[in-house]
Amino acid sequence: AQKITQTQPGMFVQEKEAVTLDCTYDTSDPSYGLFWYKQPSSGEMIFLIYQGSYDQQNATEGRYSLNFQKARKSANLVISASQLGDSAMYFCAMRELHGSGNTGKLIFGQGTTLQVKP
Amino acid sequence: DAGVTQSPTHLIKTRGQQVTLRCSPKSGHDTVSWYQQALGQGPQFIFQYYEEEERQRGNFPDRFSGHQFPNYSSELNVNALLLGDSALYLCASSPAQNYGYTFGSGTRLTVV
Repeated sequence: AQKITQTQPGMFVQEKEAVTLDCTYDTSDPSYGLFWYKQPSSGEMIFLIYQGSYDQQNATEGRYSLNFQKARKSANLVISASQLGDSAMYFCAMRELHGSGNTGKLIFGQGTTLQVKP
Repeated sequence: DAGVTQSPTHLIKTRGQQVTLRCSPKSGHDTVSWYQQALGQGPQFIFQYYEEEERQRGNFPDRFSGHQFPNYSSELNVNALLLGDSALYLCASSPAQNYGYTFGSGTRLTVV
């Protein structure tokens, strides 16, 4: 069965520094997608970054980058130059494909709470 | 362009009652998924609707049911509410054959 593991329940980082949030995954499917979402206290899941299993390069989106190590089955999120507004819950998720032409469901990890200190 | 809209935002129900949550997908999206997120946990997949049919279902009892309308909006119904059903219920929409999931802000359900 597919599974996402986030081993850091909580993390602290100083403002303007970089931080890495860990994510490991387990799947036997050769084709999959990995996502990172940010969830502030308001509850909405905000999409940050996506990595496809066949993508040759690590994904980057502004201050977010994904350190994708396929052999290790890890997809760590790196946030550079942390800002106070980055304080939130962060979830790693994997897309499970289902059928043809269907979007498939997301399998989420337990999340990591990030607090940015001024 | 409006994103995913969920209503109501908060709801308090008594154990044993029934509840209906609503979701309007993002414009251009035709697939709707529902997730349950207990406090301090990651979201758990309930089911997904596409072309007005339930296409996938997670490990939830039959008390959880849904519907998708021709305009792609969706409802989640929960019967015989239990205290353990208290959670944030998230709706996510996506276009078919695309990973572009967009989430709403959720409905926070409290069962007392």
